[in-house]
Amino acid sequence: GESVGLHLPTLSVQEGDNSIINCAYSNSASDYFIWYKQESGKGPQFIIDIRSNMDKRQGQRVTVLLNKTVKHLSLQIAATQPGDSAVYFCAETGSGGSNYKLTFGKGTLLTVNP
Amino acid sequence: GAVVSQHPSWVICKSGTSVKIECRSLDFQATTMFWYRQFPKQSLMLMATSNEGSKATYEQGVEKDKFLINHASLTLSTLTVTSAHPEDSSFYICSAYNRNAIGYTFGSGTRLTVV
Repeated sequence: GESVGLHLPTLSVQEGDNSIINCAYSNSASDYFIWYKQESGKGPQFIIDIRSNMDKRQGQRVTVLLNKTVKHLSLQIAATQPGDSAVYFCAETGSGGSNYKLTFGKGTLLTVNP
Repeated sequence: GAVVSQHPSWVICKSGTSVKIECRSLDFQATTMFWYRQFPKQSLMLMATSNEGSKATYEQGVEKDKFLINHASLTLSTLTVTSAHPEDSSFYICSAYNRNAIGYTFGSGTRLTVV
């Protein structure tokens, strides 16, 4: 998808295809990253997380890749299903601070076509 | 699993009135509570961070006298929108944090509409 101001980037895929959602972060001190799924009118739902000492982590149908060199994070969803349609956010936080603030990225709207 | 209960899920109020939103961690103690605001088609923006028994830390640009946060116990935090105006209409979401492996747990959000 394309990032354009206040509008959410969008990604449209066919059911059964693999989806890749990307996220760039700016804080090089961030060492913990989380992907969330948010359906309309609901709070964020945890999908998968990764710490900065790893570059890949796999869950059920999902994989997160972390490239610290270019400060890039991606979420791969295998065999995408209509129920995966939602907005996906990456979030980051850094160690050392006392507040553990979680900062969210812009989000990507994933639409899965049956 | 860890559950955060946020109430109400939606509220409509008249301009000039105050609205209180509650966030409760049901089966764990939240050392820190975060409050976010989300406008349509936008990301979650952190408003403030509160630790139990101490004053909340507000993000730049967030009026502390307008958005009153109380974190009286390890399981309850409240956000009161005082003298609400239509521009305060938004989706408010809380997140409870427990550093002992539970991490961040989000409430289901509150849709505030000020008329």
